[in-house]
Amino acid sequence: AQSVAQPEDQVNVAEGNPLTVKCTYSVSGNPYLFWYVQYPNRGLQFLLKYITGDNLVKGSYGFEAEFNKSQTSFHLKKPSALVSDSALYFCAVSPLTGGGNKLTFGTGTQLKVEL
Amino acid sequence: EAQVTQNPRYLITVTGKKLTVTCSQNMNHEYMSWYRQDPGLGLRQIYYSMNVEVTDKGDVPEGYKVSRKEKRNFPLILESPSPNQTSLYFCASSVGRGTYEQYFGPGTRLTVT
Repeated sequence: AQSVAQPEDQVNVAEGNPLTVKCTYSVSGNPYLFWYVQYPNRGLQFLLKYITGDNLVKGSYGFEAEFNKSQTSFHLKKPSALVSDSALYFCAVSPLTGGGNKLTFGTGTQLKVEL
Repeated sequence: EAQVTQNPRYLITVTGKKLTVTCSQNMNHEYMSWYRQDPGLGLRQIYYSMNVEVTDKGDVPEGYKVSRKEKRNFPLILESPSPNQTSLYFCASSVGRGTYEQYFGPGTRLTVT
């Protein structure tokens, strides 16, 4: 069975500092990996995805994520955080083969960026 | 504007009273899905549909039904709601399965008393 772990319920960072939101996954075979963001009272919005190729993936709003196969991780990063980045972030995984319809989400990490 | 719409956005009902939450997308997407979001549990898939008349169970299908008679619509039906179905529900759609990002609706907050 596939699974996603987001070990931190909340991450606090000062505006202008780099941020990292952690994600590790478990899946049979190679994964498709996604990050989504949820702002208050809104649905989830797609940020970025890893399918294949370069391990560093760039996405919306200056976010990027690094795929590390040996550590089964896909951490979300941003060089300089903004207060407007404060939101709930979800990592998700889908297997490359078999069961590709099924997207499994982590429990979410609340990011709080303070002045 | 490309979007996924859900109705109603908020619903308070009583145990056992059948209800339907509608979902519609205007992007001609083949794949649609329903999720519920609960604190500490993230999003869990209820049902998904690969195309018209093709549906399958997700992780938590008990107590729910779906139908896909038209490509754009994917209603979620609770035949006999119970308090443990109190949750925030999201509909999503995508071009296809696997590699494609999903587009989410704004959510429906359901309370069952």
